[in-house]
Amino acid sequence: DGGITQSPKYLFRKEGQNVTLSCEQNLNHDAMYWYRQDPGQGLRLIYYSQIVNDFQKGDIAEGYSVSREKKESFPLTVTSAQKNPTAFYLCASPASSGNTIYFGEGSWLTVV
Amino acid sequence: GQNIDQPTEMTATEGAIVQINCTYQTSGFNGLFWYQQHAGEAPTFLSYNVLDGLEEKGRFSSFLSRSKGYSYLLLKELQMKDSASYLCAVNGGYNKLIFGAGTRLAVHP
Repeated sequence: DGGITQSPKYLFRKEGQNVTLSCEQNLNHDAMYWYRQDPGQGLRLIYYSQIVNDFQKGDIAEGYSVSREKKESFPLTVTSAQKNPTAFYLCASPASSGNTIYFGEGSWLTVV
Repeated sequence: GQNIDQPTEMTATEGAIVQINCTYQTSGFNGLFWYQQHAGEAPTFLSYNVLDGLEEKGRFSSFLSRSKGYSYLLLKELQMKDSASYLCAVNGGYNKLIFGAGTRLAVHP
């Protein structure tokens, strides 16, 4: 079955440490997105990529970085510059037709 | 600018009907989505509207008026398991997805 796989499901970060969240899709979609969700809040866009080797900043890109070297993969790095990274992170990809958005199962990041 | 507004919280009684409204102002429009999200889980798809009118799918219906920048999600015969957050999202063109903050619905016996 086609879908989006995020890993890890749970991740703990120490102060000053960079961590990378993985997002892989086998849907052959061009566009991929990363969202952050804080408890009781909506989804806020971090970065998005419409095509391989290209990506754009979203509304809250500071302290994050991404790459899009392969169509299937869109990893998100949470850098030490992100001062409050504890949140639920969701990777998403819309179908080319635009009528469906696929989501990964999400990754919980906690600072310890 | 781009903006999507929906109520923060709603409460309803089991077996009743509830309507969750969403208004949007976006520079482009290529469809509106409604998603259900339980705490700590990924959103699940409920509906997609790209043309004006009502789309019905079982206990859930969604309405769109593009001229008014307005949509609503109608939930009938409410069940306890419908307690969740409901997210309104707009495809602003070129698959640029914009989400509202979500409406937390609490269903009481």
